[in-house]
Amino acid sequence: GEDVEQSLFLSVREGDSSVINCTYTDSSSTYLYWYKQEPGAGLQLLTYIFSNMDMKQDQRLTVLLNKKDKHLSLRIADTQTGDSAIYFCAESETGNQFYFGTGTSLTVIP
Amino acid sequence: NAGVTQTPKFQVLKTGQSMTLQCAQDMNHEYMSWYRQDPGMGLRLIHYSVGAGITDQGEVPNGYNVSRSTTEDFPLRLLSAAPSQTSVYFCASSPSGGQSSYEQYFGPGTRLTVT
Repeated sequence: GEDVEQSLFLSVREGDSSVINCTYTDSSSTYLYWYKQEPGAGLQLLTYIFSNMDMKQDQRLTVLLNKKDKHLSLRIADTQTGDSAIYFCAESETGNQFYFGTGTSLTVIP
Repeated sequence: NAGVTQTPKFQVLKTGQSMTLQCAQDMNHEYMSWYRQDPGMGLRLIHYSVGAGITDQGEVPNGYNVSRSTTEDFPLRLLSAAPSQTSVYFCASSPSGGQSSYEQYFGPGTRLTVT
């Protein structure tokens, strides 16, 4: 399968910005996603970006895509304790087969 | 509108036993899929379906069977459970594959332990 890599842990102070990074290997990726998973729950789609875009902003979330380096990032502005969760990036070429990263566990320190 | 439902929430099996994990959605979604989530490995796609009567393999299909006789239901069968199948299983659905696939909704998961 395709490789999607993320760092496992990130800690930030409440009110700071969080940046979660992801790299992928499939140069044919068409769709790239960020999901959030809270303890004991399923995944919730946060945002997505198409491969022909460089940036997408949605309220406190900013997604940056560097297609040349196959690097995707999610920036959360003014991070709150409720943002503590595991964040997964995922990619898909066709929209039928999806490859997920290992997840980054974000801890927000009050 | 219940979204994506999964049963059971928890299950313990002995090696060699069989069981079916149930998944249902009430959103009239064409696309449904099954994932397993293991520590340090993220989610891996087991099988998916783009409509009733159509299924295909994902990244880790061995040891699992699926069928899609209705739009609403997409059960996952373990024919002979093995300890390596201990995992959390998630079902997901989407209006269709392709361009609308970003609208993927996940169920709450089934935690399976095989002893």
